[in-house]
Amino acid sequence: AQSVTQLDSHVSVSEGTPVLLRCNYSSSYSPSLFWYVQHPNKGLQLLLKYTSAATLVKGINGFEAEFKKSETSFHLTKPSAHMSDAAEYFCVVSSYNTNAGKSTFGDGTTLTVKP
Amino acid sequence: KAGVTQTPRYLIKTRGQQVTLSCSPISGHRSVSWYQQTPGQGLQFLFEYFSETQRNKGNFPGRFSGRQFSNSRSEMNVSTLELGDSALYLCASSLTGPNEQFFGPGTRLTVL
Repeated sequence: AQSVTQLDSHVSVSEGTPVLLRCNYSSSYSPSLFWYVQHPNKGLQLLLKYTSAATLVKGINGFEAEFKKSETSFHLTKPSAHMSDAAEYFCVVSSYNTNAGKSTFGDGTTLTVKP
Repeated sequence: KAGVTQTPRYLIKTRGQQVTLSCSPISGHRSVSWYQQTPGQGLQFLFEYFSETQRNKGNFPGRFSGRQFSNSRSEMNVSTLELGDSALYLCASSLTGPNEQFFGPGTRLTVL
């Protein structure tokens, strides 16, 4: 079984300040973890992924995330928010057992960036 | 390389009708997954197809069905539409399974 919890449904920051979006996961198997971003009326775009290589993962648009197994967390950060970062963000856990894989999405975090 | 395409982008149907949505994955991708996104329920997994076989299924009623063709294109069908089926339906493709997925823009279905 696997699950993912995004700890904040809404996060509001000022432009130029750091962003922290929190994600905890559980998985019975070695998981792969992802962050996706969705802008209004658009599909989801992959920001970054962790697949058992380096625990600090760098993604697009200045985002990065750190996999912490002991804390079962995969928080998304960015040093300085831009107005264009305003969107919904999804944390996803995927794992394989037998031949079928499954992805579980968090409920999403809406990021608001104030000028 | 072309991305995932979904047709149509918008649909308006009435209760009781049926609808078919189409998804063309990225060339070479053999896995196609479908998701339903609503404001109340968030993103929910419908099913995944790989090499024309349904490999995984979410908790949706039998009114929701799908198939995948030999060229990996996929369709999903919803019969006897209900108001609650109004949603954004997203298709995602990947090389071999629901790992790194590439999403299409979605089909916005409105049921009146």
